[in-house]
Amino acid sequence: QQQVKQSPQSLIVQKGGISIINCAYENTAFDYFPWYQQFPGKGPALLIAIRPDVSEKKEGRFTISFNKSAKQFSLHIMDSQPGDSATYFCAASGDFGNEKLTFGTGTRLTIIP
Amino acid sequence: NAGVTQTPKFQVLKTGQSMTLQCAQDMNHEYMSWYRQDPGMGLRLIHYSVGAGITDQGEVPNGYNVSRSTTEDFPLRLLSAAPSQTSVYFCASSHHRDGVSRKLFFGSGTQLSVL
Repeated sequence: QQQVKQSPQSLIVQKGGISIINCAYENTAFDYFPWYQQFPGKGPALLIAIRPDVSEKKEGRFTISFNKSAKQFSLHIMDSQPGDSATYFCAASGDFGNEKLTFGTGTRLTIIP
Repeated sequence: NAGVTQTPKFQVLKTGQSMTLQCAQDMNHEYMSWYRQDPGMGLRLIHYSVGAGITDQGEVPNGYNVSRSTTEDFPLRLLSAAPSQTSVYFCASSHHRDGVSRKLFFGSGTQLSVL
C-alpha cells in the first residue's frame, strides 16, 4: 500500500498566525496532491490541489508548496482564523484515478483567539 | 443538488448482526467508494466502483461487501458485525479519470458502533 505521511498530528496556532502542515510521499508515480478539510460531524471537502509541474499553488489564504525532489508537500494557511479550525488531510494519487487515492492520517488544527 | 446522501447517520449493532449502509449520489458520477475513518489512521478505502456492475477491493475490504447495480447507488454491507468495525463510514463519489479534476464529493458519514 502506498503511503503518505502527515505531520503534525495536532496543531494549535494563534489567530492571525501561519498554520503549516507537512506531508511526504514515497511513490514517484503520484501526480496529484489534494488537501481535504473536514469539520466535526461532516465529510471531508476538497480544499486545494496541486500537480507536480508547479512548485506552488495559492487560493486565497491557502497555499500548497510542493518539493518534487524531496517528495514533500505542505499546506500553509496564512492569517489563520478560528473558522479554519478543522481536521486537514493530505492525499496523493497517480494517473489512475481516485481508486488509488491515498490519504494521510490527518492534522487537527485549532486556531485560538 | 443533494450530492452524496448517506443513511443512516448513526447505528448501533450487536456483534454478529448484519446491516447495510446506504449511499446515493445524484451527480452522475462513475466512481463511488467507501472509506472508514478511525482516530490516528486517516481515511482508509474499503471498496470502490468505477461503474455499474464493476466493484473492487480497497485497502481494508475484509468483513464488507458491496454491489453497484445502478450508477446512483452503492450500498455497503456488513456481513457479521465485529467490534473492530466500530468506525465512521464515508461514501464518496467523483467523475472517473476525467483528466482535469479528481474532486471527491463525500457524504456526511455514518457513525457505527458495534457492541
